Amino acid sequence: AQKVTQAQTEISVVEKEDVTLDCVYETRDTTYYLFWYKQPPSGELVFLIRRNSFDEQNEISGRYSWNFQKSTSSFNFTITASQVVDSAVYFCALSEANFGNEKLTFGTGTRLTIIP
Amino acid sequence: AAGVIQSPRHLIKEKRETATLKCYPIPRHDTVYWYQQGPGQDPQFLISFYEKMQSDKGSIPDRFSAQQFSDYHSELNMSSLELGDSALYFCASSPGLARNTGELFFGEGSRLTVL
Repeated sequence: AQKVTQAQTEISVVEKEDVTLDCVYETRDTTYYLFWYKQPPSGELVFLIRRNSFDEQNEISGRYSWNFQKSTSSFNFTITASQVVDSAVYFCALSEANFGNEKLTFGTGTRLTIIP
Repeated sequence: AAGVIQSPRHLIKEKRETATLKCYPIPRHDTVYWYQQGPGQDPQFLISFYEKMQSDKGSIPDRFSAQQFSDYHSELNMSSLELGDSALYFCASSPGLARNTGELFFGEGSRLTVL
């Protein structure tokens, strides 16, 4: 069975600080996908990144960066120079790489509050 | 670019009533997923369809049913509504077998409130 753990329930940081959201996952599959989604107060799920299990390269997109470490089954997300607009709930998720079945298993989410 | 369309965006029902949510996937996407997100909870997988056939089933109550139609849109029917059914319901679509990218495209969600 797949499982995603986001141990940090809530995090508050002052604007412009860096913040890292942790994600640890469990799966028996050798091929899988990892995701991060942002859910602002308006409720929609905003796709941030998808990472294939075979690609362990870290990725940077503007102020966002992701650190995928297969050895520790972690896929952490760092926001650099945080801004108030970053305030949201962030979900880490996992899916099997089965054709035609990309069902996601979500973590419980981390509520990030950026204090002006 | 066209996105996943869900309707209605907001719905208020009384206990024991019936509700129907609709989902229109991205054109040429043949796979649809339904998720339920209760207040303060993470989205939970309910059910999925590929090429109009149920492909997987999660924690969907027996009071709920769903189907995918010939035009690939999907409907989630919820009967005998309970207070605990109040949630945000997401639909997502993917290209399925046509292109296994592992990516789901989510709609903006339908918020159901049961009074």
